[in-house]
Amino acid sequence: AQSVTQPDIHITVSEGASLELRCNYSYGATPYLFWYVQSPGQGLQLLLKYFSGDTLVQGIKGFEAEFKRSQSSFNLRKPSVHWSDAAEYFCAVGVFYNQGGKLIFGQGTELSVKP
Amino acid sequence: DAGVTQSPTHLIKTRGQQVTLRCSPISGHKSVSWYQQVLGQGPQFIFQYYEKEERGRGNFPDRFSARQFPNYSSELNVNALLLGDSALYLCASSPRGGEAFFGQGTRLTVV
Repeated sequence: AQSVTQPDIHITVSEGASLELRCNYSYGATPYLFWYVQSPGQGLQLLLKYFSGDTLVQGIKGFEAEFKRSQSSFNLRKPSVHWSDAAEYFCAVGVFYNQGGKLIFGQGTELSVKP
Repeated sequence: DAGVTQSPTHLIKTRGQQVTLRCSPISGHKSVSWYQQVLGQGPQFIFQYYEKEERGRGNFPDRFSARQFPNYSSELNVNALLLGDSALYLCASSPRGGEAFFGQGTRLTVV
């Protein structure tokens, strides 16, 4: 069965420090992978996606993620965190079929940023 | 262009009541999906519709139902509400059922 694991429930980093959020997935075929960000009480905003090709993908707000098939991972990184990055981050795997599909989400990682 | 719009933004219902949530997709998107997000968890897939037909259903009881209209908007209905149905309900649209763009959600509180 498909699943997504985000091992870290809560991470705190200092403003200006680098960030890496971990994501591991379980999926039988080539995965479609996503990272979303959610501010309190808000919907989800797509940060980046991986469908195929280059395993290092760039997203909005200076985020990037690297797909590693051998490790079944899709970790999110940012070289320098800003206070406005504090939010909940969700990794998801897409299960798509003809004109249909769904996203399977991890439990999320809450990011706090220290001044 | 307008994004995905959901209404209402908040509502409070009593146990046993019924509720209808509404979603308008991004213009040109023909697929709408619904997700339930309980506090502290990731969203869980409920339904996906494409061209007014149900294309996918998650592991939710029959109290949950949905439909999609000719203009591609959608409604999610929940009958016989339970306290455990309290959650943020998210609607997402996509051109054909792939990459999803989410609305701001409807916060449902069941008392």
